[in-house]
Amino acid sequence: AQSVAQPEDQVNVAEGNPLTVKCTYSVSGNPYLFWYVQYPNRGLQFLLKYITGDNLVKGSYGFEAEFNKSQTSFHLKKPSALVSDSALYFCAVRDLRTASKLTFGTGTRLQVTL
Amino acid sequence: NAGVTQTPKFQVLKTGQSMTLQCAQDMNHNSMYWYRQDPGMGLRLIYYSASEGTTDKGEVPNGYNVSRLNKREFSLRLESAAPSQTSVYFCASTGTSGVTDTQYFGPGTRLTVL
Repeated sequence: AQSVAQPEDQVNVAEGNPLTVKCTYSVSGNPYLFWYVQYPNRGLQFLLKYITGDNLVKGSYGFEAEFNKSQTSFHLKKPSALVSDSALYFCAVRDLRTASKLTFGTGTRLQVTL
Repeated sequence: NAGVTQTPKFQVLKTGQSMTLQCAQDMNHNSMYWYRQDPGMGLRLIYYSASEGTTDKGEVPNGYNVSRLNKREFSLRLESAAPSQTSVYFCASTGTSGVTDTQYFGPGTRLTVL
């Protein structure tokens, strides 16, 4: 069965510093990976996805993610954090065998402070 | 273009009561999904509909039923609500049920069962 792990419940970063939110996955075939963000009392918003090709994927709001097949990771990154980036971030995965089913991690709360 | 809409936004039920959560999308998407979000557990798939006229169980279908009323609308019914169904419910849609498709989420329904 496919699964996603987000090892950190919370990440704290000072504004202007780089941020990383970690994600590792397990699938039986090729992974299709997604990052979503959830602001308080809102639904999930799509940030970026990895399908194939370049291991570095660029997405919305200056975020990017690096796919690493050997480490089965898909970490979310941003060179310079903003206070407005504070939110709950979810990593998710699919594979061809379970195409309809998107499996989510438990989420990482990002707190950016001045 | 409203995207994915859900009603109601909030609901309080007593144990044993029934209710239907409504979801509609105006993006001409074929596939629709219902998830529940609980603290520390991420999002879990309840039911999905790959296309109009079809529905399938997800990870946690017990206690729920769904109806794909037409291409736009996908409802979730709780026949006899239980406190364990206290959660935030999200509806999502995608163009197809393909592995690379991005899911777009509604704003959520916060349900409390007393």
